[in-house]
Amino acid sequence: DIQMTQSPSSLSASVGDRVTITCRASQGISNSLAWIQQKPGKAPKSLIYAASSLQRGVPSKFSGSGSGTDFTLTISSLQPEDFATYYCQQYNTYPITFGQGTRLEIK
Amino acid sequence: EVQLLESGGGLVQPGGSLRLSCAASGFTFNNYAMNWVRQAPGKGLEWVSTISGGDSRTDYADSVKGRFTISRDNSKNTLYLQMNSLRADDTASYYCAKRGDDCSGASCSIDYWGQGTLVTVSS
Repeated sequence: DIQMTQSPSSLSASVGDRVTITCRASQGISNSLAWIQQKPGKAPKSLIYAASSLQRGVPSKFSGSGSGTDFTLTISSLQPEDFATYYCQQYNTYPITFGQGTRLEIK
Repeated sequence: EVQLLESGGGLVQPGGSLRLSCAASGFTFNNYAMNWVRQAPGKGLEWVSTISGGDSRTDYADSVKGRFTISRDNSKNTLYLQMNSLRADDTASYYCAKRGDDCSGASCSIDYWGQGTLVTVSS
């Protein structure tokens, strides 16, 4: 199975900050990488697919990059509604696997 | 507007069975693969199973293989998950999720998620 490792596991930031979350795959996955946001008690929401393409309706403050084994999610100008847990997910190979999550908290 | 509405969760004893349903609307259901993804309380996301749109090919996580069966009724726009021989570690919220636009890998991205249904396995 492909292991997805996110860093950091948690992150404190202030409103207006720009933050970057990293995801590393244990083997190459081309660009078959998604980023997912989940707020407490809510369903997941897909943000990015194919490493850098925004899902419909997702604001451009979210951006993704990377290919192969190393990927990043960048969120610019943090707003209160952006504080959530973020997961990366690979769909290059079965079984589909997720990172352990990065909890983004308000400083 | 895409909507995915899960139902069928609840409390079940270890060794018992449960069938989850996911009613889909807002898209041409039979054109899209569908997934089940679960989340144990306080834990991360875990892929459970995928079923293709047309020919209903299936894939399962090793943790549920032989115990869970994914199926779909395209005439009813409904996805199912039959869960047998349930164990305490199957306790989780189960989400129905629709295939997205990118199928560059063996599977595809996910674009929409349901609100989830909670399954609790306990005596």
